[in-house]
Amino acid sequence: EAQVTQNPRYLITVTGKKLTVTCSQNMNHEYMSWYRQDPGLGLRQIYYSMNVEVTDKGDVPEGYKVSRKEKRNFPLILESPSPNQTSLYFCASSSSVGNTEAFFGQGTRLTVV
Amino acid sequence: AQTVTQSQPEMSVQEAETVTLSCTYDTSESDYYLFWYKQPPSRQMILVIRQEAYKQQNATENRFSVNFQKAAKSFSLKISDSQLGDAAMYFCAYRKNNRLAFGKGNQVVVIP
Repeated sequence: EAQVTQNPRYLITVTGKKLTVTCSQNMNHEYMSWYRQDPGLGLRQIYYSMNVEVTDKGDVPEGYKVSRKEKRNFPLILESPSPNQTSLYFCASSSSVGNTEAFFGQGTRLTVV
Repeated sequence: AQTVTQSQPEMSVQEAETVTLSCTYDTSESDYYLFWYKQPPSRQMILVIRQEAYKQQNATENRFSVNFQKAAKSFSLKISDSQLGDAAMYFCAYRKNNRLAFGKGNQVVVIP
């Protein structure tokens, strides 16, 4: 089954404690992205990757890091989480073919206290 | 960053009636792609319909159809014969290469 898998689904952490949210896709997609969803703001792109070892900032990259060492994985790293990073996070992957949709993971609800 | 605008944060529709969600976007590109996604309470993002900018014909998927006006940069979604399962947040999205920009969403409430 084609899917994007994010872990964990829920995470509560304290300010400053480094965390990683994993994302893996099994569709051999070139493109992968991270988004955060906040009420009234829709989904905003944090980082994206066009292929292995190729990453770039999206619209809200501050406070986040990513890596793309393998095609299937695209982890999101928060080195020093802060309460304003409390949000719902989505990983997505898509083919490089332009009219194909993005496939989304199930989301990670992150709370930073 | 591309701008995608959805007005009317919440819309109500009677079951079996029709509702239209509006979306406008800002771009200087001529070749791009547009999507509507549905997000039910489960939070899963589900593709509803897509439109290629180079196609003049409006896309249709069963009860879902779009009115794509390229010159006006408008991409509205019409849901016909609304069903209770259509209740969700709907996001309009613009794609150019790997940049996918979303609107803020429309909450659709279906009244039995």
